[in-house]
Amino acid sequence: EAGVAQSPRYKIIEKRQSVAFWCNPISGHATLYWYQQILGQGPKLLIQFQNNGVVDDSQLPKDRFSAERLKGVDSTLKIQPAKLEDSAVYLCASSLVWGGGAEAFFGQGTRLTVV
Amino acid sequence: QKEVEQNSGPLSVPEGAIASLNCTYSDRGSQSFFWYRQYSGKSPELIMFIYSNGDKEDGRFTAQLNKASQYVSLLIRDSQPSDSATYLCAVNMFDAGGTSYGKLTFGQGTILTVHP
Repeated sequence: EAGVAQSPRYKIIEKRQSVAFWCNPISGHATLYWYQQILGQGPKLLIQFQNNGVVDDSQLPKDRFSAERLKGVDSTLKIQPAKLEDSAVYLCASSLVWGGGAEAFFGQGTRLTVV
Repeated sequence: QKEVEQNSGPLSVPEGAIASLNCTYSDRGSQSFFWYRQYSGKSPELIMFIYSNGDKEDGRFTAQLNKASQYVSLLIRDSQPSDSATYLCAVNMFDAGGTSYGKLTFGQGTILTVHP
């Protein structure tokens, strides 16, 4: 079974530029998460989708971050404009069951450096 | 108070010893608890999950849950240098209405070093 796919693996941009990340979850997984992990910290949930609907985006900086999950499969996360403090690893994860805390599986992540 | 708290460490144990990693959580209604391992530069990988009070064993790993004390731990027996990593505790949180929707909240992680 293929895992969670993310691209690109690495991205370097200048502040105020825009960037987009892509995620393809494990087949059949209805729940998709985007996490931000700053070096030395645990993953911080940015947004959670159930199929193509948003379940939680309370920690998403909506003035600069946006995310969508069209057709309930692939998802993109965008940052516009980027700030220096956005430098982090962006992790996508998916899980099979909605609710009940089913285990989530992570992709390899995208390491973003904003200079 | 953080929702999920872990001692950031580093925790250093000799090879062959038992490593004990601890996690506390603030939401008394939390129902599901997960331990992830994260090697440097890699993404988190699931080790174990536990839903019920008590112990759950899987090979060298044992997860322990005490909901009354809002405490979950991970024991690693016969620790190996390959166990050196950051261990993340994750908790399934509930919304204000008491509904679980699979939101996973992570602690900051504990760095474990197993030395030969």
